[in-house]
Amino acid sequence: GAVVSQHPSRVICKSGTSVKIECRSLDFQATTMFWYRQFPKQSLMLMATSNEGSKATYEQGVEKDKFLINHASLTLSTLTVTSAHPEDSSFYICSALQQGSSYNSPLHFGNGTRLTVT
Amino acid sequence: RKEVEQDPGPFNVPEGATVAFNCTYSNSASQSFFWYRQDCRKEPKLLMSVYSSGNEDGRFTAQLNRASQYISLLIRDSKLSDSATYLCVVNEGRAGTASKLTFGTGTRLQVTL
Repeated sequence: GAVVSQHPSRVICKSGTSVKIECRSLDFQATTMFWYRQFPKQSLMLMATSNEGSKATYEQGVEKDKFLINHASLTLSTLTVTSAHPEDSSFYICSALQQGSSYNSPLHFGNGTRLTVT
Repeated sequence: RKEVEQDPGPFNVPEGATVAFNCTYSNSASQSFFWYRQDCRKEPKLLMSVYSSGNEDGRFTAQLNRASQYISLLIRDSKLSDSATYLCVVNEGRAGTASKLTFGTGTRLQVTL
């Protein structure tokens, strides 16, 4: 149980284009999903917390107009990197908190999306 | 000071060895703790939660010392397949608030023949 699917797993795009990444909870409903970014040899950094039906909460230093998050249903959250630049190249990972879980339940992660902007 | 600090390693150990990783965290209000395993270019996978009383899962033992704000992971009888990066993860959330996971940079383990 608690399977989180992320798509695409890998994407290469040109500078200035936008890229959409999907995160789906396959066998449970997720009121909260989290988006992380990981640069090489660094830890996962939380970008934003996405709550179903409401606006995402962004961490300090993360531009909400550049990283658009939509959590329109209990099983799907999307992250759109707008006007991508080479410095946005990174490993983007989502995770989901099962509806009804305790606040301190472990998170289950999607398989990640490796974005390369050329 | 980093919120969650780990020795990046790498720890190079022979198969069958026992190896221990440590992690310290800065927020004394942190409520729950986990060890995740991350293979190269993959997503983190939960290895085990860490409880105050200490807990064991097969060859893996986790300990928590709240007074010293210190977490440890012990791996006995290391296997080649244990080679990965081990992430110490601290949840600063509490009842009534959202989870806020903070990740260490990870400790790299390489088990060799």
